[in-house]
Amino acid sequence: GAGVSQTPSNKVTEKGKYVELRCDPISGHTALYWYRQSLGQGPEFLIYFQGTGAADDSGLPNDRFFAVRPEGSVSTLKIQRTERGDSAVYLCASSPAGPGYNSPLHFGNGTRLTVT
Amino acid sequence: KNQVEQSPQSLIILEGKNCTLQCNYTVSPFSNLRWYKQDTGRGPVSLTIMTFSENTKSNGRYTATLDADTKQSSLHITASQLSDSASYICVVSDMGSTGFQKLVFGTGTRLLVSP
Repeated sequence: GAGVSQTPSNKVTEKGKYVELRCDPISGHTALYWYRQSLGQGPEFLIYFQGTGAADDSGLPNDRFFAVRPEGSVSTLKIQRTERGDSAVYLCASSPAGPGYNSPLHFGNGTRLTVT
Repeated sequence: KNQVEQSPQSLIILEGKNCTLQCNYTVSPFSNLRWYKQDTGRGPVSLTIMTFSENTKSNGRYTATLDADTKQSSLHITASQLSDSASYICVVSDMGSTGFQKLVFGTGTRLLVSP
């Protein structure tokens, strides 16, 4: 069955470059989340979309990070002027509805970003 | 300080044995508590979701318990299998001030089931 798809699965980039990470949620899921996970840590919240709008972007670490979801389905996480500290696995999750109390989150397998 | 603390940090058990993983949280107000299993290189997969009014929930060989008074949860794995080797992450839902249900993740317990 079609789960949450993230591309690319791996991305290596040089410090200072711009990257885009893509997330295809499960069809019909209105809620979409981006998380960042460093080695040995749990996922850290970045941003939450309900439909096309960012309902909560309080987790974005600084203004180099930006995310869009123009048509309410696919989302792109954009990182400008990448730094070595941005290296992590970026996880996307979608949910049938949000912010419901028991809405299950379905995660993709993540994009492993390495900034050299 | 992380609002969701898990113990032990890592655990090795023999195949067929049972084990219990612990989660203590300070998140408040609290809506629900979830346990996720994360295989290496994969995204987390939901095992259980419990509201504050539920004490226990099972999913096959996985049984989660919740004590909302003491803010503690446990995940019990019965008759472990090699495929249970993974990280198990406790996640607590923080309602916050906006009503948006923000999930607070623990750092996980890394379980290794040895043959």
